Amino acid sequence: DGGITQSPKYLFRKEGQNVTLSCEQNLNHDAMYWYRQDPGQGLRLIYYSQIVNDFQKGDIAEGYSVSREKKESFPLTVTSAQKNPTAFYLCASSIDPGMNGYTFGSGTRLTVV
Amino acid sequence: AQTVTQSQPEMSVQEAETVTLSCTYDTSENNYYLFWYKQPPSRQMILVIRQEAYKQQNATENRFSVNFQKAAKSFSLKISDSQLGDTAMYFCAFTLSYNTDKLIFGTGTRLQVFP
Repeated sequence: DGGITQSPKYLFRKEGQNVTLSCEQNLNHDAMYWYRQDPGQGLRLIYYSQIVNDFQKGDIAEGYSVSREKKESFPLTVTSAQKNPTAFYLCASSIDPGMNGYTFGSGTRLTVV
Repeated sequence: AQTVTQSQPEMSVQEAETVTLSCTYDTSENNYYLFWYKQPPSRQMILVIRQEAYKQQNATENRFSVNFQKAAKSFSLKISDSQLGDTAMYFCAFTLSYNTDKLIFGTGTRLQVFP
């Protein structure tokens, strides 16, 4: 079955360490997105990518970095510069956002201690 | 800038009853899409229903329907015959037709369905 796989489901890191969240899709979607979810704030866009080797900052890109070397993969690195990294992170993809919306992964809960 | 507002942080409904979740949005554009997403306790986001702004007819998907009032910039979700499995967070979302790079979400409504 086609879908988006995020791993790991839970991630714990020490403060000051960089950490990379994985997102893989086999839907052949061109566009991929990273969102951050905090209680009471809905979902906020971190980065998005429309094609391979190209990506754009979203609304809260500071302290994060991404790469898009393959169509299927869009990993997100949470750097030590991110002041409050503990959150739930959702990856999504789409082939036609207006007509079909986004397909989401099951998320990664990152806790920084 | 476009914004989406969900003014009901929490709602509850008895099983088999009907409930309506509210959503308002703000935009100066005329062409856009609206969505409702469901996030159950598993936290997987699931598309419930979508509406194209240029269509006057309200979208319907089985027990889920919307009341789209373009002039009032309102996009409410009605869930009929509520089921225990409808218990979830519900998010309203908006994207412009000419720029679907950003899906803008509201803050969500937590719906609890009681037996």
